[in-house]
Amino acid sequence: DGGITQSPKYLFRKEGQNVTLSCEQNLNHDAMYWYRQDPGQGLRLIYYSQIVNDFQKGDIAEGYSVSREKKESFPLTVTSAQKNPTAFYLCASSNPREGTETQYFGPGTRLLVL
Amino acid sequence: QKEVEQDPGPLSVPEGAIVSLNCTYSNSAFQYFMWYRQYSRKGPELLMYTYSSGNKEDGRFTAQVDKSSKYISLFIRDSQPSDSATYLCAMSGGTGFQKLVFGTGTRLLVSP
Repeated sequence: DGGITQSPKYLFRKEGQNVTLSCEQNLNHDAMYWYRQDPGQGLRLIYYSQIVNDFQKGDIAEGYSVSREKKESFPLTVTSAQKNPTAFYLCASSNPREGTETQYFGPGTRLLVL
Repeated sequence: QKEVEQDPGPLSVPEGAIVSLNCTYSNSAFQYFMWYRQYSRKGPELLMYTYSSGNKEDGRFTAQVDKSSKYISLFIRDSQPSDSATYLCAMSGGTGFQKLVFGTGTRLLVSP
């Protein structure tokens, strides 16, 4: 059963702490993405990766970091430099070789600050 | 001006009504158009995908693209309470690797 999984569902961060959100896909997609969703602001792109070992900053990359060591995995670290991390984080993947630009989303991780 | 504009709603309709959801955009290079449905606290789910202009129908859902007006629509026939969700439009286009640009979403409430 192909899809995208994100964990944990809820994550609590203390002041000054780095936290890592997991994203795994078994769709054999080349491209993966991280978005942040805040009420009334839609989806904002944090980072994206077109291929293993390569990634680019999106529109709001400050305070975040990623890695892409495996095709299936694209973890996102929210660093202590991100001063307002409370949001709903969504991971997505796509297969640009299909030529459709369609992205498929995971269930999301809600990050809350203690 | 945002590249993609979408009325946030909420749009409230009675069960059985025909619903029209819309987005306007400014980038004439867009040629791939998508509609996603997002239930509260869940990830967006792809509903419809359309390439270039025209209509596409899937069950109770019809997606319409008018590139000359830079306007896309999603129609829902015989709306059900289970259709209550936020609907996001998304689009991309141009040469090479292109990111999706999303609307902010329209919240739909279908009352029984």
